[in-house]
Amino acid sequence: QKEVEQNSGPLSVPEGAIASLNCTYSDRGSQSFFWYRQYSGKSPELIMFIYSNGDKEDGRFTAQLNKASQYVSLLIRDSQPSDSATYLCAVKGNNNDMRFGAGTRLTVKP
Amino acid sequence: KAGVTQTPRYLIKTRGQQVTLSCSPISGHRSVSWYQQTPGQGLQFLFEYFSETQRNKGNFPGRFSGRQFSNSRSEMNVSTLELGDSALYLCASSSSSGGYEQYFGPGTRLTVT
Repeated sequence: QKEVEQNSGPLSVPEGAIASLNCTYSDRGSQSFFWYRQYSGKSPELIMFIYSNGDKEDGRFTAQLNKASQYVSLLIRDSQPSDSATYLCAVKGNNNDMRFGAGTRLTVKP
Repeated sequence: KAGVTQTPRYLIKTRGQQVTLSCSPISGHRSVSWYQQTPGQGLQFLFEYFSETQRNKGNFPGRFSGRQFSNSRSEMNVSTLELGDSALYLCASSSSSGGYEQYFGPGTRLTVT
């Protein structure tokens, strides 16, 4: 079992729809959870981080964390074509090393 | 504020050679982490340096090493290069060790032939 798992996609949604990206992790001791966006040929950029159970909202983005289920998700509301990218879920464990999922490729169609 | 810079951006080396990559963090940031990104393995953590000390290390062979200088600039060295070392090497800076916000540099694309 991989430490951080994501559906590789591609996930395709129409413009204006909600995109839902999911991630599960295996280390129950994980403390912090991150979502990065990576455009093709570019380096990852941090979208959000969350470390408490529940929801955290930032503009059109909402991160959701459920530690009991070892599950973290990212919702993108009112998806735009510019949101088309690969989304990486990352988990930081007790020893501070960062583990990344393989990423989910999102395509938003106009 | 200037972002994270990495040099060189592209590098071609021959199997068996060694290579040194450089990373300058955002001004004021003292933590630098290194990652390897490949299509097959994704983003993998190499190591983190904070205040010139290695804080964490990923699961990579001893051929991969690094250091950090007093101005927080960091270098990563790979000795005895193998074909499988071809990858995009990314560094990320953060204001503190284990900091929540990491900012990535543009990466160094290493090709080993």
